[in-house]
Amino acid sequence: DAGVIQSPRHEVTEMGQEVTLRCKPISGHNSLFWYRQTMMRGLELLIYFNNNVPIDDSGMPEDRFSAKMPNASFSTLKIQPSEPRDSAVYFCASSLSSGGEEQYFGPGTRLTVT
Amino acid sequence: GQSLEQPSEVTAVEGAIVQINCTYQTSGFYGLSWYQQHDGGAPTFLSYNALDGLEETGRFSSFLSRSDSYGYLLLQELQMKDSASYFCAVKGTYKYIFGTGTRLKVLA
Repeated sequence: DAGVIQSPRHEVTEMGQEVTLRCKPISGHNSLFWYRQTMMRGLELLIYFNNNVPIDDSGMPEDRFSAKMPNASFSTLKIQPSEPRDSAVYFCASSLSSGGEEQYFGPGTRLTVT
Repeated sequence: GQSLEQPSEVTAVEGAIVQINCTYQTSGFYGLSWYQQHDGGAPTFLSYNALDGLEETGRFSSFLSRSDSYGYLLLQELQMKDSASYFCAVKGTYKYIFGTGTRLKVLA
């Protein structure tokens, strides 16, 4: 299996622009997680889906962030408009179980907003 | 509230044994997971404990005490490649949270 696939790997954009991060989970996994990691705040769960349905989005920092999972093999995390404080590494992870106790992470997208 | 506490940094020498502790406070509890993350890399799954006791996987073991809201990761026969950050993670009733991570430095 190819593992969790994320694109792009690096993104540099200007403040105010829309950013879309993409994730393809491992085939057959039922749960998908989006995380943000910074030195200051560590690894934060933004949102997770079970069977394509958002279960907990309380970690989404504000309305500028939105996530979708239109089917079992694809998810997006969108930031509109982006701000410098959104600069971070964004990870997508998937899990076979709905409990998410064993998660497989993608390589991450390093986002820089100038 | 919900929180996880683990030491920020641990240093040990090659070949030694090191224990990384994790205490948690959550609304509901389903289990404790451990992840390893090398600099510039993604977290990788190490172990999961849902029940009290010790789980062993090669050089790594993980322990859980639900009554004490406490767990630890035990690394034996340390190797230089074990230098990384280690995160405990807990799923409560409504939230899934990661600890702030313990940076392990293995010295030659």
